[in-house]
Amino acid sequence: AQSVTQLGSHVSVSEGALVLLRCNYSSSVPPYLFWYVQYPNQGLQLLLKYTSAATLVKGINGFEAEFKKSETSFHLTKPSAHMSDAAEYFCAVTEYGNKLVFGAGTILRVKS
Amino acid sequence: GAVVSQHPSRVICKSGTSVKIECRSLDFQATTMFWYRQFPKKSLMLMATSNEGSKATYEQGVEKDKFLINHASLTLSTLTVTSAHPEDSSFYICSASSSGGGVEQYFGPGTRLTVT
Repeated sequence: AQSVTQLGSHVSVSEGALVLLRCNYSSSVPPYLFWYVQYPNQGLQLLLKYTSAATLVKGINGFEAEFKKSETSFHLTKPSAHMSDAAEYFCAVTEYGNKLVFGAGTILRVKS
Repeated sequence: GAVVSQHPSRVICKSGTSVKIECRSLDFQATTMFWYRQFPKKSLMLMATSNEGSKATYEQGVEKDKFLINHASLTLSTLTVTSAHPEDSSFYICSASSSGGGVEQYFGPGTRLTVT
């Protein structure tokens, strides 16, 4: 069965600092991995996805993530945090044709 | 492209009544639609998966008679919460995928249901 673990329910960074949100997955077959962002009372917006092509995936808003099979990780990074990045971030995994399994989410706070 | 809408965005209903939430894919044909429920400060919980023209597949623990799902066309799925109770108050989010879209799901903006 697939599962996702997001380390840290809350992450706080200063504006301009590096953002690192951690995600580890478990899957019996090569997975497809996603990062979504959710702003209060809104749906989910796709930041980026890994679908077995390049292991370093670039997404929207300056975010990127690296798929590391040996570490079963798919951490999300952004070199310089912006106030508008404050939101909740969800990592998710799926095996083709199956349902998405979400992590518990990480709330990112950006301090001025 | 790949826009999913939900209606209504917010709804308040009285205990014992039923409420219907619509999920529409605006610019693609959604062969599969998913309904999620999100509790405050929690992650998304998949309630059911529906394929156009077929009965929905419900996740374990989700009452199919309480949460009626209809996927009558390739652009519309509805979730009806029957005989709603305060504990049904939640944020309901739908998503849709197309046969040509691979594994990606496109999410709607969500519907906030409050049962008084």
